[in-house]
Amino acid sequence: AQSVTQPDIHITVSEGASLELRCNYSYGATPYLFWYVQSPGQGLQLLLKYFSGDTLVQGIKGFEAEFKRSQSSFNLRKPSVHWSDAAEYFCAVYQAGTALIFGKGTTLSVSS
Amino acid sequence: DAGVTQSPTHLIKTRGQQVTLRCSPISGHKSVSWYQQVLGQGPQFIFQYYEKEERGRGNFPDRFSARQFPNYSSELNVNALLLGDSALYLCASSPPGGIDNEQFFGPGTRLTVL
Repeated sequence: AQSVTQPDIHITVSEGASLELRCNYSYGATPYLFWYVQSPGQGLQLLLKYFSGDTLVQGIKGFEAEFKRSQSSFNLRKPSVHWSDAAEYFCAVYQAGTALIFGKGTTLSVSS
Repeated sequence: DAGVTQSPTHLIKTRGQQVTLRCSPISGHKSVSWYQQVLGQGPQFIFQYYEKEERGRGNFPDRFSARQFPNYSSELNVNALLLGDSALYLCASSPPGGIDNEQFFGPGTRLTVL
């Protein structure tokens, strides 16, 4: 069965520092991968997606992610974090035909 | 353009009651999916509907049901509520397309079961 693992439950980063959130997936075929962000009490906003092609994908708000098939990973990065980036981040894989399978999420805190 | 809308925003029910949640997709989107997000967890897939037909169902009991209307809006019904049904219920719509469609999420309905 398809699954997504986000190893880090909570990460704290200083404002201006770089960020990397980890995501590992289990999927037999070519994965369709997503990163979503959720602010408190809000729905999910798509940051970026990978379907095929260039393994480094650019998203909104200065985020990028790199697909590494050999490591079954799709880590999210940002070179310089802003206080407004504090939120919960979800990695997801698309299960063909129906649904997104989400990881449990990583909570990002930004310290000043 | 209006995004996915959901109503109500918040809801409080007691155990054993029934609840109906509503979702209006983005104009032009024909597919609607429902997810349950328990506090501290990622969203879990409940249903997907496309053109008023159920296309997929997650691992949820028969107390959960849904339907899609001719205007592509959707309702999620939960019967015989349990405390464990307390969660944020998210609706997502997808544009017509192939395998690489993406899902646009609404703000959710927060259900509290007492």
